[in-house]
Amino acid sequence: GQQVMQIPQYQHVQEGEDFTTYCNSSTTLSNIQWYKQRPGGHPVFLIQLVKSGEVKKQKRLTFQFGEAKKNSSLHITATQTTDVGTYFCAGLPSNTGKLIFGQGTTLQVKP
Amino acid sequence: NAGVTQTPKFQVLKTGQSMTLQCAQDMNHNSMYWYRQDPGMGLRLIYYSASEGTTDKGEVPNGYNVSRLNKREFSLRLESAAPSQTSVYFCASRVKGNYGYTFGSGTRLTVV
Repeated sequence: GQQVMQIPQYQHVQEGEDFTTYCNSSTTLSNIQWYKQRPGGHPVFLIQLVKSGEVKKQKRLTFQFGEAKKNSSLHITATQTTDVGTYFCAGLPSNTGKLIFGQGTTLQVKP
Repeated sequence: NAGVTQTPKFQVLKTGQSMTLQCAQDMNHNSMYWYRQDPGMGLRLIYYSASEGTTDKGEVPNGYNVSRLNKREFSLRLESAAPSQTSVYFCASRVKGNYGYTFGSGTRLTVV
């Protein structure tokens, strides 16, 4: 079946270090979304990417959508303790209307 | 606005018991979804409703039923709970089109 794989599963960084999580789909995606889930909380929508090669920024967060629309990344510059949580990508395959979530990357930040 | 409201927040069931998880949204969204979240598995779609009056199976529908009662409410029913259904259940909604989902705060269900 269609899958969205996300790596790494866990990442521990020192506060101030950068962090990147990667997302790869087995099929071409219409769009990809990113969510953040704080410990004990619920997923919160961050952003949606639609165009091939698209790059969007939100303060210290940079989101990229690959040229082939099969992969994406989220990069956080100079992490802060408030960045702690699990980051999920979610892809919408071109041939279905069902969003498929990656397994998530859990980020821990040491102060 | 309350967004997406789920009840209950916590529940413990015995194997074989039944229960209904309630979800309501006040954003006039067309589509509603039920997901389960298990460690290391991400979010898996159980059922969804693209619009009032329609429901469709997702990735893991076995053991569940749903009802789209009206545009606001989408309930998930476990007819005979099993330990494998121990999970965190999230309801979500979105406006028509490719926009981000709004999630409820979740129901933490334990089946013993």
